[in-house]
Amino acid sequence: GAVVSQHPSWVICKSGTSVKIECRSLDFQATTMFWYRQFPKQSLMLMATSNEGSKATYEQGVEKDKFLINHASLTLSTLTVTSAHPEDSSFYICSALRRNEQFFGPGTRLTVL
Amino acid sequence: GDSVTQMEGPVTLSEEAFLTINCTYTATGYPSLFWYVQYPGEGLQLLLKATKADDKGSNKGFEATYRKETTSFHLEKGSVQVSDSAVYFCALSGINAGNMLTFGGGTRLMVKP
Repeated sequence: GAVVSQHPSWVICKSGTSVKIECRSLDFQATTMFWYRQFPKQSLMLMATSNEGSKATYEQGVEKDKFLINHASLTLSTLTVTSAHPEDSSFYICSALRRNEQFFGPGTRLTVL
Repeated sequence: GDSVTQMEGPVTLSEEAFLTINCTYTATGYPSLFWYVQYPGEGLQLLLKATKADDKGSNKGFEATYRKETTSFHLEKGSVQVSDSAVYFCALSGINAGNMLTFGGGTRLMVKP
């Protein structure tokens, strides 16, 4: 149990376009999900905490207008990278909270050309 | 604030060698401690955890003991396999962190046959 999926697993887009990444908890409900960004060979950086039915809480330095988070249901949170640029290329990982433990998705690799 | 420091990699071992990856932390009170493993191109998987001092977490031959006196949570395995090649992250969840995780920088392990 406690499976988290992400879609897509990888995406390539042109500079200036927007990309939506989905994070789903498949077999449990999650009122809280987290979004992380991971640069090559580096650790995970928490971007924001997504709460179902309310606005996300962003970490310092993360642009909320660029990284739009919507947690519209207890099993789905989405991260939209708006007007993507090459520096947004990264590995994005979500996690869902269940019984005080985070369960991680497999990640989405975004490449912006 | 809370922080986690782990040894830099890569760590290169021969199959069946003994593994130690050091992890120390700074936090108030008694945080929960975790080791996560990340295989190439994938998200994080919880490997083991400990929630109070002197607890030993174990899984798949890996062990780590929560040492409050040395603020450490070193990961060990008696005999590594090629399939253990991955990046290992030490993390903590502070007592007032609301289930948020603070990660160490990650240690890449390479096991050669």
